[in-house]
Parts: sequence; C-alpha cells; structure tokens
Amino acid sequence: DAGVIQSPRHEVTEMGQEVTLRCKPISGHNSLFWYRQTMMRGLELLIYFNNNVPIDDSGMPEDRFSAKMPNASFSTLKIQPSEPRDSAVYFCASSFQPQETQYFGPGTRLLVL
Amino acid sequence: GQQLNQSPQSMFIQEGEDVSMNCTSSSIFNTWLWYKQEPGEGPVLLIALYKAGELTSNGRLTAQFGITRKDSFLNISASIPSDVGIYFCAGQLANYGQNFVFGPGTRLSVLP
Repeated sequence: DAGVIQSPRHEVTEMGQEVTLRCKPISGHNSLFWYRQTMMRGLELLIYFNNNVPIDDSGMPEDRFSAKMPNASFSTLKIQPSEPRDSAVYFCASSFQPQETQYFGPGTRLLVL
Repeated sequence: GQQLNQSPQSMFIQEGEDVSMNCTSSSIFNTWLWYKQEPGEGPVLLIALYKAGELTSNGRLTAQFGITRKDSFLNISASIPSDVGIYFCAGQLANYGQNFVFGPGTRLSVLP
C-alpha cells in the first residue's frame, strides 16, 4: 500500500515567491496533519484536519501560511509570500482518527533564498 | 504548552552495544509512540504503547510505558550501523485525547 505522498520533495525558491506543498494521505485515513521541522524547534504541528475540516490551526506561524483540504485525498500548504525563515522540512502525516497513530510522508525540503 | 524531554540528546556507541533512551514529562499520557527518522526521510513508527506498564518489542527494539504514565523508554539491543538516526517519542496527553506532542529527539550514531 502506498504511504503518505508529498510533493515536491525539494523546493528552492526566492524570498517573496509563493510556495505550495502537496500531500496525499493514506487512503481511508480521516485525519491529516502538517508539521514543520527545523534544527532549532524540532517538529512543530502547524495544522490538522479531520474529515477535511480544519480542527486546530493554532500552530500556523502567521497569515502568510494557509492550508486547505478540498477532499479526502488531497491537501495543500501554501506560503505566500515566502521568507528565508520559512526554510525547513515540511511533513504531512495521516491517521484514521486524530487520536490514533500518525504515519508520516517523506517530507518536502524547502529552501527560501 | 506541554513538553516532552528526551535524553540523551545524542549518543555515540560502538556497533554491538545496547542502547537505552527515555522520554519524560510532567504530564500524564494515554499513549506513547516511538518513531525513527533517517536522514532525508520522514519519521517511521517503531512501537506504540497504550497501557501503563506495557512492555512491547519489535525485533531488537523494546519499549515500555512507564507506570506513572509520565515516561517511556526505548532500548535497542546489539546495535548495528543501520540503527543510526533520530529517535522521537510522541505522547498523547490524557486530558486532551487529540494531538500528539513530540519530543526533541535522540540522535544516535553507531560506530563500526
């Protein structure tokens, strides 16, 4: 079975550009999570969805970040405009329910110059 | 917010040695998970623990859910080079039942 799929795996962009990260959760999973990982702050939960509805977005850094889940098999995390401090690895994870074990995708490495 | 502490932060061991790492908190947890992250990859679930006192093995890995429900440990026996990576614990708080809180990780290096 396919795990969580993320694209792109790597993204290099210039400050001020829009960045869109994509995630396809494991089929049948109802919950989807977006994390950011940096050396300084470790893994941080940005937002999570349950049944395509955003439940908790308190981890989203600021208005430049937005996330959508238009259907059960697709989610996006958008940064507009991007800044160098957004450089990190962004992970998507999914689970059957929010309180159940999460399975992570391979991540998107973002570098904002 | 809630915080998990992991120790040690990093460790260098010789191939064949046993490894022990732990995760502690001042809060009570319902579930403990242990993940391993290799360079360039996402965290991969190793072991899940659901009951206080539970001891679970997965090959050379053994993890236990602390009796107080505030800690957990992970042991790796007879380490091999492919054990290299960052080991994360994650706990699900007892009074929330929703989000998992992740620890900062223990970075393991295995010397041949």
